[in-house]
Amino acid sequence: DTGVSQNPRHKITKRGQNVTFRCDPISEHNRLYWYRQTLGQGPEFLTYFQNEAQLEKSRLLSDRFSAERPKGSFSTLEIQRTEQGDSAMYLCASSFAGTGTYQPQHFGDGTRLSIL
Amino acid sequence: GNSVTQMEGPVTLSEEAFLTINCTYTATGYPSLFWYVQYPGEGLQLLLKATKADDKGSNKGFEATYRKETTSFHLEKGSVQVSDSAVYFCALMGNQGGKLIFGQGTELSVKP
Repeated sequence: DTGVSQNPRHKITKRGQNVTFRCDPISEHNRLYWYRQTLGQGPEFLTYFQNEAQLEKSRLLSDRFSAERPKGSFSTLEIQRTEQGDSAMYLCASSFAGTGTYQPQHFGDGTRLSIL
Repeated sequence: GNSVTQMEGPVTLSEEAFLTINCTYTATGYPSLFWYVQYPGEGLQLLLKATKADDKGSNKGFEATYRKETTSFHLEKGSVQVSDSAVYFCALMGNQGGKLIFGQGTELSVKP
């Protein structure tokens, strides 16, 4: 169990640029989640996948945000035309879900995005 | 909708003091409840969980009991250590699984 891996750890970019983050879940986990955390707040849910299917998206996920999990393994989160308000820590988590059973989510260390 | 409310921090205690961090929730159905901890410079780690009413989760000397009648899941530890200094998050997951809903976090600082 190597844990949830996120890359890059830090991203600094200018307003208006596009950014993409990657998350590699724990290998046997079929669910993958994205959250956003700002300073002094708890993580806020963005979206999640079961295998390659995107099952839920938050209203927070504007049309500038898109997430994919094309082969049911790693996932990418892209933000287009970044804005100052996108500055945050982006967290990825994974878990295993079976029929009627839901295991706890395990989190990566996050990608910190800073918009100049 | 579902929500979680935690007591505001920061909480400052002396080593070996008793700790309580209050957490209450609003949810439909039968959610699962969690406490996560975030040590300085590290990612979120699961501390303990409870999946049904009256369950007690415990780990590393921390305990929390799922109280459906008071919709609460308060975190307690009998004797805190400096190494417990961290931010603690209460969270719930609905009875169909899926996303976690977090409280705003409570920062704990333990002084020697």
